[in-house]
Amino acid sequence: EPEVTQTPSHQVTQMGQEVILRCVPISNHLYFYWYRQILGQKVEFLVSFYNNEISEKSEIFDDQFSVERPDGSNFTLKIRSTKLEDSAMYFCASLGQGGYGYTFGSGTRLTVV
Amino acid sequence: DAKTTQPPSMDCAEGRAANLPCNHSTISGNEYVYWYRQIHSQGPQYIIHGLKNNETNEMASLIITEDRKSSTLILPHATLRDTAVYYCIVRPSGGDDKIIFGKGTRLHILP
Repeated sequence: EPEVTQTPSHQVTQMGQEVILRCVPISNHLYFYWYRQILGQKVEFLVSFYNNEISEKSEIFDDQFSVERPDGSNFTLKIRSTKLEDSAMYFCASLGQGGYGYTFGSGTRLTVV
Repeated sequence: DAKTTQPPSMDCAEGRAANLPCNHSTISGNEYVYWYRQIHSQGPQYIIHGLKNNETNEMASLIITEDRKSSTLILPHATLRDTAVYYCIVRPSGGDDKIIFGKGTRLHILP
């Protein structure tokens, strides 16, 4: 069964550093998403991406966040200057044309120290 | 988005049917009911969705009341691997709209 792949599975970074979280969506999918989950809290929507541009973003997705699909296969989330409160699981998801159920990756655990 | 109400937690014996309820009394005519689950810190997993008819797939069955104000997800023969948080979500028919997750129901399957 096709999978959404996320790397790395765990990243530790120092406060103020830039991090890039990587995702390889399912190959024929067209819609891409990033979500995050702070430990013990709900899964929160960050951003959706379609046709090489952001289609929607949440209040969480401020200027320190950016997304990119640099090469037609990868979908990245960049956090420019990490803060302690950015520590969370980050999930990537994708959806095919006419599809209904997102496929989520297994997540990247980001720890900011 | 219409809001849903789910019990915070439920227990079910292994091998029995797990019936997870969801209230969505403000659901609109074009909104679907979706169910996802999240097994301990893994990414959420799509289970099933429906509009007004009952639906069944290899994972579960979805029963939607005639007035569409509530639904029940049924796992027919629960196993320990079904222990997870189950999310009931209502959203417009456009499948690409973002999902807003609530707190869900934490289902414990008991051996």
